[in-house]
Amino acid sequence: DIVLTQSPALAVSLGQRATISCRASQSVSTSSYNLMHWYQQKPGEQPKLLIYDASNLASGIPVRFSGSGSGTDFTLTINPVQADDIATYYCQQSRELPLTFGSGTKLEIK
Amino acid sequence: QVQLKETGPGLVQPTQTLSITCTVSGFSLTSYYMQWVRQTPGKGLEWMGFIRSGGSTEYNSEFKSRLSISRDTSKNQVFLKMNSLKTEDTGVYYCAREAPRGYADYWGQGVMVTVSS
Repeated sequence: DIVLTQSPALAVSLGQRATISCRASQSVSTSSYNLMHWYQQKPGEQPKLLIYDASNLASGIPVRFSGSGSGTDFTLTINPVQADDIATYYCQQSRELPLTFGSGTKLEIK
Repeated sequence: QVQLKETGPGLVQPTQTLSITCTVSGFSLTSYYMQWVRQTPGKGLEWMGFIRSGGSTEYNSEFKSRLSISRDTSKNQVFLKMNSLKTEDTGVYYCAREAPRGYADYWGQGVMVTVSS
């Protein structure tokens, strides 16, 4: 199985940039796609798709969210961070089965 | 608009079978894969398996021996059945619509399942 590693928590000030990383135990990229996706989950809610294929913004997601990366290293950036962004962020790979998720990074306000 | 809703028991006894129904609207089950994902305190988010648009299934080997996913396209419903439940199976169970490259673009609100005697 592909293991996705995320830092447990990140503290940033409102209005600043947050950079959340996800490292895969093996490449999740093909010749055509980077098969890494990002979700936001607020307490008591279901996960919500933010970014698909590493860098594509999902429908209705604000442009302050962006994603980058290829191979094994991926980043979700929130700039500027707003109070409504307080949540846990998960990466997920779909390069091979079983689909796997990272353990999540909890975004906190400094 | 696309909607998914899970229904199931809140409490299941150890060794018993869990049955959850996901009712969808706004799209056809014959056009999309449908995933089941659970979230437990011990393991976080786990992909359990999916049913393809054509009706075949794939399961996470973690659950393969005790998990079954099926559907009734006439009722727009997808079903999860898992037997031999343990306390570690306590968590929130989600159904989700899978987009072409394996990400979940729509999720149900989830159903909390507690395994306890």
